[in-house]
Amino acid sequence: AIQMTQSPSSLSASVGDRVTITCRASQGIRNDLGWYQQKPGKAPKLLIYAASSLQSGVPSRFSGSGSGTDFTLTISSLQPEDFATYYCLQDYNYPVTFGGGTKVEIK
Amino acid sequence: EVQLVESGGGLVQPGGSLRLSCAASGFTFSSYWMNWVRQAPGKGLEWVANIKQDGSEKYYVDSVKGRFTISRDNAKNSLYLQMNSLRAEDTAVYYCARDWGYCSSTSCYTCLDYWGQGTLVTVSS
Repeated sequence: AIQMTQSPSSLSASVGDRVTITCRASQGIRNDLGWYQQKPGKAPKLLIYAASSLQSGVPSRFSGSGSGTDFTLTISSLQPEDFATYYCLQDYNYPVTFGGGTKVEIK
Repeated sequence: EVQLVESGGGLVQPGGSLRLSCAASGFTFSSYWMNWVRQAPGKGLEWVANIKQDGSEKYYVDSVKGRFTISRDNAKNSLYLQMNSLRAEDTAVYYCARDWGYCSSTSCYTCLDYWGQGTLVTVSS
């Protein structure tokens, strides 16, 4: 199975900060990667698909980039509602695998 | 409005069985791949299984192969997960999720755009 390694596992940031989360695949996965946001007690929410395509309704401060093995989720200006845990997901092959998650906390 | 509502979770002893259901509404259920994703308490997300629109293809994570079976009934707009030989490590909230299935000119992508609220499965004696 393809391993997805996210870093950092947690971070503290302030409102207005630029935040970058990375995800590294154990082998090349083209751009078969998505990003999800999850708040406590809630189901995950799709943010980005195909590495860089913004899901409908998601604010433009979220962006994704990367291809092959290295990917990035960027929040250009962190808002109070963005404090959550973020997961990457690869669907290059089965089994589909998630990264371990990055918890974004208030500084 | 798209809705996914899971049911069937509960407390079960190790080695026992449970059948989860996911009732779908607000969209043409038979047109979408469907998935099960789970989350152990305080842990990350784990994809469990998915099933093609007509049920002809099914895929599983290795840890549940031979024990779990995903199925669907398009006439009833319902997704199922039959879980047998349950283990303590299967304890989790189980979510069903719709795969929007975006396809470019070169590839198709898993896009889990709608999720249910989850149902808790606890495996314990």
